Amino acid sequence: GDSVTQTEGLVTLTEGLPVMLNCTYQSTYSPFLFWYVQHLNEAPKLLLKSFTDNKRPEHQGFHATLHKSSSSFHLQKSSAQLSDSALYYCALSRNYAQGLTFGLGTRVSVFP
Amino acid sequence: DMKVTQMPRYLIKRMGENVLLECGQDMSHETMYWYRQDPGLGLQLIYISYDVDSNSEGDIPKGYRVSRKKREHFSLILDSAKTNQTSVYFCASSLSWGYSAETLYFGSGTRLTVL
Repeated sequence: GDSVTQTEGLVTLTEGLPVMLNCTYQSTYSPFLFWYVQHLNEAPKLLLKSFTDNKRPEHQGFHATLHKSSSSFHLQKSSAQLSDSALYYCALSRNYAQGLTFGLGTRVSVFP
Repeated sequence: DMKVTQMPRYLIKRMGENVLLECGQDMSHETMYWYRQDPGLGLQLIYISYDVDSNSEGDIPKGYRVSRKKREHFSLILDSAKTNQTSVYFCASSLSWGYSAETLYFGSGTRLTVL
């Protein structure tokens, strides 16, 4: 079945340093990929989603590139901020819009 | 204001009691979902609803049922709650079911504790 793998459970880093969160997937068709972010005691909300063409989605300094050859959609930011501390979920769309399959999530903690 | 509202925010129940979690959305979205979130397990899909009285099981439907009698409301029911149903439950909605790249809009969650 379809699945999403996020290899890091926790990422800790210093403010100003770059961050990359890994996401790989397995799917029986060509899915859309998403990154959702959840700040403490808040609802998950969409951060980025893949495009059908080769455009690279960007939002709030984050970007991600869909590589179909390696089935990956890694999330990157060049300079982390304290406000980036949150739980990040990679997700893929299921066929016939049956919701999303989420990875286990990566918690990011940014320190001054 | 586009919003998904969940009630209650916190709930404590005893094992064997019935539980009703309610969700509303003001965006006229066709599709609504119930997910649960557990540490180390991510977000798992319980049920999905494509419209009024058109519901489908997700990945972990056992022990749950749902009701959608109005497009803007979607309820999750636990008949005789069990301690392993202690979790944070999120409701979400999306515009329609026919497009796989739909954005999901989540509510703030209900933290359910079953003693």
